[in-house]
Amino acid sequence: GQNIDQPTEMTATEGAIVQINCTYQTSGFNGLFWYQQHAGEAPTFLSYNVLDGLEEKGRFSSFLSRSKGYSYLLLKELQMKDSASYLCAVKDSNYQLIWGAGTKLIIKP
Amino acid sequence: IAGITQAPTSQILAAGRRMTLRCTQDMRHNAMYWYRQDLGLGLRLIHYSNTAGTTGKGEVPDGYSVSRANTDDFPLTLASAVPSQTSVYFCASSDGATGELFFGEGSRLTVL
Repeated sequence: GQNIDQPTEMTATEGAIVQINCTYQTSGFNGLFWYQQHAGEAPTFLSYNVLDGLEEKGRFSSFLSRSKGYSYLLLKELQMKDSASYLCAVKDSNYQLIWGAGTKLIIKP
Repeated sequence: IAGITQAPTSQILAAGRRMTLRCTQDMRHNAMYWYRQDLGLGLRLIHYSNTAGTTGKGEVPDGYSVSRANTDDFPLTLASAVPSQTSVYFCASSDGATGELFFGEGSRLTVL
């Protein structure tokens, strides 16, 4: 079966750095997405990785290793507004998105 | 209208009733999707449409139907609602380049 694994919940301190991991086992791979979802709101796009390596976008970076079936989202200089759930999703061989259950990130002052 | 609009935003429904969730986009995206989101589970695809006039079944299609008469509208119908259909429903569309999804604000449905 297809599976996406992420930690259920993480806690970090304002101003610090946090890394959210995602491992996947899917039938084929055509890209990996990270989305942010604040409580009661819709998911919003953060990043897309299709090749191995690190993609940096401001305070957020996303890393992909296809050989290891692994990605992480790195958030720097954490702000209270970064408290949200972070969703990892993989596009499989049929170009369908398989979603992880999400990681709830709690930021403490 | 900007992006994707869903209606209603929230609804309480008696079991056995018929319900249609509306979704309209103004981005001229070909592909549209309906997901449900339940606590502790990832987003699960109900139905999708790659282009106007075509639809397909996702991971959890039973009890739901969709239509795609034109590019902009993609309604989701529950023919006879059951309590297990209590969920938050998200409509989404995607552009053709990366397949990035753009989501509506969601419709919270409670079936009693």
